[in-house]
Amino acid sequence: KAGVTQTPRYLIKTRGQQVTLSCSPISGHRSVSWYQQTPGQGLQFLFEYFSETQRNKGNFPGRFSGRQFSNSRSEMNVSTLELGDSALYLCASSLTGQGNVYEQYFGPGTRLTVT
Amino acid sequence: GNSVTQMEGPVTLSEEAFLTINCTYTATGYPSLFWYVQYPGEGLQLLLKATKADDKGSNKGFEATYRKETTSFHLEKGSVQVSDSAVYFCALNNNYQLIWGAGTKLIIKP
Repeated sequence: KAGVTQTPRYLIKTRGQQVTLSCSPISGHRSVSWYQQTPGQGLQFLFEYFSETQRNKGNFPGRFSGRQFSNSRSEMNVSTLELGDSALYLCASSLTGQGNVYEQYFGPGTRLTVT
Repeated sequence: GNSVTQMEGPVTLSEEAFLTINCTYTATGYPSLFWYVQYPGEGLQLLLKATKADDKGSNKGFEATYRKETTSFHLEKGSVQVSDSAVYFCALNNNYQLIWGAGTKLIIKP
């Protein structure tokens, strides 16, 4: 079974621009989550989607948004990029996200650099 | 609120040494607990998990036991290898998200 795929793997953008990152979950997985990883803040939760519905959102400004499509693929968008948005963005998928098990499988990440 | 605290790194050991990486948590309810590993330049890989008190998760020689009385989930391995060098993250799940420790960098010297 193919793992979680993320595109692009690397991205360089300029302050003020916007960016869209894509994630394809493991086949059959309906829950997709996004995390931001930086050396200073570590791993921080952005949002989680299940069957096209956002079930939880982390403490990020409204410039960060996401969505999930009917085939479970997900995108996240960051508008008006700031230097501090430079990070590794990780996508994770889970079978259902139900109950307390919630085992997540991660993609390789998209490395975003804002200049 | 819910939180995870890990021992600070880096942890440097010689090959074949015994490894312990401490992880304690604060949580309401009964979350599942996880250890993930991140090799340089890669995403996170699930190493092991435990879903209830006294459960022991194990994988690739690593073990961790869910201790409710001490709110701990320490990672152990009896004999580490150079290939185990990576960053290890302890996490718990809450409300459809994983809450992470800061990560512990492990360096194994031949």
